[in-house]
Amino acid sequence: GQNIDQPTEMTATEGAIVQINCTYQTSGFNGLFWYQQHAGEAPTFLSYNVLDGLEEKGRFSSFLSRSKGYSYLLLKELQMKDSASYLCAVVNGGATNKLIFGTGTLLAVQP
Amino acid sequence: DAGVTQSPTHLIKTRGQQVTLRCSPKSGHDTVSWYQQALGQGPQFIFQYYEEEERQRGNFPDRFSGHQFPNYSSELNVNALLLGDSALYLCASSLGQGGEAFFGQGTRLTVV
Repeated sequence: GQNIDQPTEMTATEGAIVQINCTYQTSGFNGLFWYQQHAGEAPTFLSYNVLDGLEEKGRFSSFLSRSKGYSYLLLKELQMKDSASYLCAVVNGGATNKLIFGTGTLLAVQP
Repeated sequence: DAGVTQSPTHLIKTRGQQVTLRCSPKSGHDTVSWYQQALGQGPQFIFQYYEEEERQRGNFPDRFSGHQFPNYSSELNVNALLLGDSALYLCASSLGQGGEAFFGQGTRLTVV
């Protein structure tokens, strides 16, 4: 079966660091995306990992371990505007780039 | 570059009716995928269109159908609407079936 698990909600303080974890069990794997989604808006691309290791992009970093079926998104120097849902999505492989999404982690950044 | 555009942005329909949602892909993209996102959930893959054919389909009934036109734009049709079809419908375009997906703003469908 296909299963992607993320915490439902997290709370963090402005200026702090937060790590959002994602574990997955899928029939195929061709990479993992992290998206940010503000309420009522479309998901926007944050990061893509296909090989093991850490990808850093400004305040955002994403890590992947394929052998453990595990990824995390690290957000540094949190800002109020980072309050959003963060979606972990696995590229299922094969000819299409079908994405299998987790339910998302709703992050609330408090002053 | 207009990015992925969807229309309409919001729609209210009655149970049993039919609805058509539209998507124009990002310039240069030839592949369109549709997703359904219920409130509080992650998007669920409906199907993907490439070269005007449905290439892969998720776990959705035949009431959900689609079409891709020669200009790569796409439509999603849903027949015999149910209350449970109320959701945000997202269109994502890519260059090729395996390319990075760019999402549109979505169409919020409410079935009453």
